[in-house]
Amino acid sequence: SQQGEEDPQALSIQEGENATMNCSYKTSINNLQWYRQNSGRGLVHLILIRSNEREKHSGRLRVTLDTSKKSSSLLITASRAADTASYFCATDAPSGTYKYIFGTGTRLKVLA
Amino acid sequence: GAGVSQSPSNKVTEKGKDVELRCDPISGHTALYWYRQSLGQGLEFLIYFQGNSAPDKSGLPSDRFSAERTGGSVSTLTIQRTQQEDSAVYLCASSLEMAQPQHFGDGTRLSIL
Repeated sequence: SQQGEEDPQALSIQEGENATMNCSYKTSINNLQWYRQNSGRGLVHLILIRSNEREKHSGRLRVTLDTSKKSSSLLITASRAADTASYFCATDAPSGTYKYIFGTGTRLKVLA
Repeated sequence: GAGVSQSPSNKVTEKGKDVELRCDPISGHTALYWYRQSLGQGLEFLIYFQGNSAPDKSGLPSDRFSAERTGGSVSTLTIQRTQQEDSAVYLCASSLEMAQPQHFGDGTRLSIL
């Protein structure tokens, strides 16, 4: 079963609005990463947040991590049409190996 | 600098044939990962390498799948006696060290007829 589950599965917003995506996972982690995937391409790393961190920023991106709720959120502020993509969270497996588990993703569509 | 390179970008083959997929990681990256992605789905972990060693092969779907990495660089994923359910995009990623951000190639789209 998937360690990470994103919510919502799909999101459609107007350019300039904020987009929030959530990720839930099941067991303890060392770190959680967010990736973006444009159609037909490989994934691009966005942010890595460690289990002892609560919030990280990178440009228009803000990631939060709540280990007590086993959840993370990705906020994209002032969205642009170029942000249209699928977004995935990935967690390292709790067993101490580096077997990263990806969720099923949120498909974001930003309308110009 | 050069990113992760995968070849071929597309592969169409008949059921029962063997296929070999290649991944050239970013130079100096010690960690290498293979994933599989079916249409509209998330990524399914297959295997990772620390250097030339694969400590965890539990993600390989069956014994028809194998992977190796030589010289701490190029990796090949081999699928023997391909089945239609093997059709997917196979993605490779590398990272400088374990537990670091992964850099992905654009994948090999495998179609089994």
